[in-house]
Amino acid sequence: RKEVEQDPGPFNVPEGATVAFNCTYSNSASQSFFWYRQDCRKEPKLLMSVYSSGNEDGRFTAQLNRASQYISLLIRDSKLSDSATYLCVVNSGDSWGKLQFGAGTQVVVTP
Amino acid sequence: DGGITQSPKYLFRKEGQNVTLSCEQNLNHDAMYWYRQDPGQGLRLIYYSQIVNDFQKGDIAEGYSVSREKKESFPLTVTSAQKNPTAFYLCASCTGSDYNEQFFGPGTRLTVL
Repeated sequence: RKEVEQDPGPFNVPEGATVAFNCTYSNSASQSFFWYRQDCRKEPKLLMSVYSSGNEDGRFTAQLNRASQYISLLIRDSKLSDSATYLCVVNSGDSWGKLQFGAGTQVVVTP
Repeated sequence: DGGITQSPKYLFRKEGQNVTLSCEQNLNHDAMYWYRQDPGQGLRLIYYSQIVNDFQKGDIAEGYSVSREKKESFPLTVTSAQKNPTAFYLCASCTGSDYNEQFFGPGTRLTVL
């Protein structure tokens, strides 16, 4: 079983719509959670950290459910520029920043 | 401008040759990492280094080697022992105070012919 699992998609979303997707993780000792964005053939970039109480950054909302071991990302009012692959990233629980990456969820926003 | 650079962007090598990928950062970060990305898979950790002259194996270190002689530089050598070296290689770094927020270089796409 993979440590971090994501639905690969693609999620085809009309411009202006809302899209949400989840990620499950297997290591119950994980303390830190993130969403990274990766554009095609580019490097991943940190989108947002996920706090236990959930957090919002503009049109993006992240939630953490420790009991069920999943995190979610919701994008409101989707823009064409939101088209990318979203990587779910979990700290493995050690102190040296060993991150476990999901394979990514592809989002395609259409006009 | 501060950042992480990797060169070259695309690299082609013949099977059986060793090849070294460059990673340089001027962010004054202590920790540096090498990942490999294959289609349909998450990034997998090859090696990481927390301080100069020290590095640790990641999850898939076999067939790779690294050095960390300077804080700014963390080159990765893909040896002929690596059975499937064709991949997208990403270097990352982060400060010693927050190991979670990693900044990535633009990557090197290695193709072994």
